[in-house]
Amino acid sequence: NAGVTQTPKFQVLKTGQSMTLQCAQDMNHNSMYWYRQDPGMGLRLIYYSASEGTTDKGEVPNGYNVSRLNKREFSLRLESAAPSQTSVYFCASRQTSGSYNEQFFGPGTRLTVL
Amino acid sequence: GENVEQHPSTLSVQEGDSAVIKCTYSDSASNYFPWYKQELGKGPQLIIDIRSNVGEKKDQRIAVTLNKTAKHFSLHITETQPEDSAVYFCAAVRLTGGGNKLTFGTGTQLKVEL
Repeated sequence: NAGVTQTPKFQVLKTGQSMTLQCAQDMNHNSMYWYRQDPGMGLRLIYYSASEGTTDKGEVPNGYNVSRLNKREFSLRLESAAPSQTSVYFCASRQTSGSYNEQFFGPGTRLTVL
Repeated sequence: GENVEQHPSTLSVQEGDSAVIKCTYSDSASNYFPWYKQELGKGPQLIIDIRSNVGEKKDQRIAVTLNKTAKHFSLHITETQPEDSAVYFCAAVRLTGGGNKLTFGTGTQLKVEL
């Protein structure tokens, strides 16, 4: 069981470039999430997918798009990167059946936009 | 929406001492309060959680207390060890069976000194 995996681990972009952050989970979880983590601001939700086929905005969705490709995979796309999007990005997943509520996080992608 | 405040932002204790981290939340409908530990270069990992129908929960050296009336909850770590050094995040959510979007505090950097 790999849990939640994210690629790439590190990325440097120039302003205006685009890229897609990949996330996959092998725990058969229904819900998946994308967060960004900035110093002193904790984790802020960008987008989430409550179940396969649905996506919704979180707290800070501007400048991002997401795709829930299938139950396993949830990608985050930056169409035109800006320096303000320099951050560490975490993907997480969660089972929605039963009373178990833990979100499992991936190792993160450190993104720098120059 | 929910707002979670966390204090202190940094905490330094001597090995063997206790550490306490406090959080307050704004939405009285929130009913699930997890605590996550994040080690350097890794994603957050759940260490303990509590539901609103419980006032206290303990797991070995870690305990969480909840005061629903005052809308605050705390993490208590006893007999601290160097491996407890990490960033700790509290969070709050109203469980709905759907996306269940966690709102995180801004984190506490705990340093356990030898």
